[in-house]
Amino acid sequence: QVQLVQSGPEAKEPGSSVKVSCKASGGTFSTYAISWVRQAPGQGLEWMGGFNVMLDTPKYAQKFQGRVTITADRSTSTAYMELSRLRSEDTAVYYCARGVLPAALHALDIWGRGTLVTVSS
Amino acid sequence: SSELTQDPAVSVALGQTVRITCQGDSLRGYYATWYQQKPAQAPVLVMSGKNSRPSGIPDRFSGSSSGNVASLTITGALAEDEADYYCNSRDSSGLVVFGGGTKLTVL
Repeated sequence: QVQLVQSGPEAKEPGSSVKVSCKASGGTFSTYAISWVRQAPGQGLEWMGGFNVMLDTPKYAQKFQGRVTITADRSTSTAYMELSRLRSEDTAVYYCARGVLPAALHALDIWGRGTLVTVSS
Repeated sequence: SSELTQDPAVSVALGQTVRITCQGDSLRGYYATWYQQKPAQAPVLVMSGKNSRPSGIPDRFSGSSSGNVASLTITGALAEDEADYYCNSRDSSGLVVFGGGTKLTVL
């Protein structure tokens, strides 16, 4: 059974960038889509963007266009999400999740445990 | 991308049936997907497609859709079903949006 193992918590200063990794353990995601979803403290889920690993194409939510970069390394079964120009409102738990189908960025059946990113001066 | 609207909170008596709804224009063309999230845990997929439950999800969970409203129904709610429930869907561009979430209380 595939598990998604995310990198550890991060503490960042405003204006800096953060890069979170998500490695498939026990399998690969070379034929699946990977989405990144974040959740601010006490708030709901927010889709940031995703990557169709098979087609090698990312899609981004309009809100994060220009500030987020999602990539994937098929050779290591690892996906990455980099968020730049961080502000305090970006403090959240960031999840990676696998789509049930190769291009299904919305139907997410396997989730990582989340990575807490704290933005504070 | 389009929005999805959910009731912020719903309650149900133990053993009764509850329907959680999700409304949005994208649902006229695409099915909603439903997730359950318990405190301090990652979301869990409970329903996708027309009415497809992943392995391990009890059959008391069912999904339906009509027009621009999708519903997740729990028939015979248990205490363990108390959680936040989120819907999401995609639009014609392949972008994804989540509803605001519904907090389900089992009384």
